Amino acid sequence: QVQLVQSGAEVKKPGASVKVSCKASGYTFTSYGISWVRQAPGQGLEWMGWISAYNGNTNYAQKLQGRVTMTTDTSTSTAYMELRSLRSDDTAVYYCAKLMTTVTPGAFDIWGQGTMVTVSS
Amino acid sequence: EIVLTQSPGTLSLSPGERATLSCRASQSVSSSYLAWYQQKPGQAPRLLIYGASSRATGIPDRFSGSGSGTDFTLTISRLEPEDFAVYYCQQYGSSPQYTFGQGTKLEIK
Repeated sequence: QVQLVQSGAEVKKPGASVKVSCKASGYTFTSYGISWVRQAPGQGLEWMGWISAYNGNTNYAQKLQGRVTMTTDTSTSTAYMELRSLRSDDTAVYYCAKLMTTVTPGAFDIWGQGTMVTVSS
Repeated sequence: EIVLTQSPGTLSLSPGERATLSCRASQSVSSSYLAWYQQKPGQAPRLLIYGASSRATGIPDRFSGSGSGTDFTLTISRLEPEDFAVYYCQQYGSSPQYTFGQGTKLEIK
C-alpha cells in the first residue's frame, strides 16, 4: 500500500540543525510532489514547503526561507527536510505528505507518521 | 498570503446530530482549491475533502463539502463517535503555496 515512513524522534540544542527523512513506497515516487508540515505542541498545522520529486523544484514558506532545505533521493524514494539554526519554537511534530495530483497544486492524500523534534538546551 | 479563518473554534454536539463547520478565506480561493482534514490526538491528519466538494478515497458519504470563492463549509450529516476530532481547512494555490485554518475542535456534548 501507499505509505510514507519517517525517521525517528530527535533532540537538538538551539543553533543546531536537524534532518528528517521520509521514505515513500507503493507508488511512483517521481510522479508526485512532497510537502512538509509541522505542528507545535497543542497548536495547528503549519505548511513549511514543497518539493517536486520529479525535478527537485522547491517552494518554501516565506517564514522559513534561508533556514530550510528540502531534497529528494530518487534512487531510494526518500525525501528529506533539513532545518538549520534551530530555536525552541521549532519544537514540533514534523510531517511529510504526498500530493494527490501529479501537477501542482494538490491536496495531501498520504501522510507520514510524524517525527517529533525537540529543541532544548 | 491567504488567511483562512475557521469557526467555531469548538463545536459541542451529540452523536447523531448534524455538524456544520465554516472556513472563510481572506481572498478568493482559486478554482476551489480547498481541502478539509480530520486529525485525532496522536495521529497524522487525514484528507477528507478536496476541490471543495470531492470526497477522498474511503471517506464516508456523511462527510460533504461545499462553497466557493471565500466561504466554504464542511458538513457531517449524522455524527458517529469516531467523528469527534479536530478539523482543518486548507487552501492550495499556485507556486505552490498552502495555508491552513486554525482548526475547529468537534467535541462530544
